[in-house]
Amino acid sequence: EDQVTQSPEALRLQEGESSSLNCSYTVSGLRGLFWYRQDPGKGPEFLFTLYSAGEEKEKERLKATLTKKESFLHITAPKPEDSATYLCAVKEGGGSNYKLTFGKGTLLTVNP
Amino acid sequence: EAQVTQNPRYLITVTGKKLTVTCSQNMNHEYMSWYRQDPGLGLRQIYYSMNVEVTDKGDVPEGYKVSRKEKRNFPLILESPSPNQTSLYFCASSLSFMGAPNQPQHFGDGTRLSIL
Repeated sequence: EDQVTQSPEALRLQEGESSSLNCSYTVSGLRGLFWYRQDPGKGPEFLFTLYSAGEEKEKERLKATLTKKESFLHITAPKPEDSATYLCAVKEGGGSNYKLTFGKGTLLTVNP
Repeated sequence: EAQVTQNPRYLITVTGKKLTVTCSQNMNHEYMSWYRQDPGLGLRQIYYSMNVEVTDKGDVPEGYKVSRKEKRNFPLILESPSPNQTSLYFCASSLSFMGAPNQPQHFGDGTRLSIL
């Protein structure tokens, strides 16, 4: 069973059509949740870190939120340049034993 | 410019021919890691290193070796590559892993390996 599940797998939006991506997790001892953006042929690019339930972070048209079981990446009035794969990753553990687990990503396409 | 540099970016080779993918970071990061990314499977960790001379297995270490003799470099070695190691590989680094839970990892641009 996956510990980090992203949905939907793919999302197609029209320019200006706001929506949300979901990242749900079942890990215990959350030590941080990360959102990344990945463009074709590139490595993941860091967007946000969320650490505790209720926390929110914003950057341009993106806003990330965190609850005890999931995180949302809200995209407001997206533009074609927001098209990318969005990955979330969860860090769990404590003491000397940390683990980072990635979800499989959501492929976002924004049409002009 | 702060960056993680991988070489080569692309490589086509044959089964059994030893190869090394280099990774270098210029941010004085303690933590470095290797991932492979496959369609439908996402990013999976191969090996990681907490600091110089400290390495440990990730989720999919079979068939790979690493070394960390210097802080900035973390090469990935395939002693006898096989076709199931055909994949997109990423190196990543972060300031630390244990002491600062919120530190994000910075990724290189990837190495696409094809093993025939």
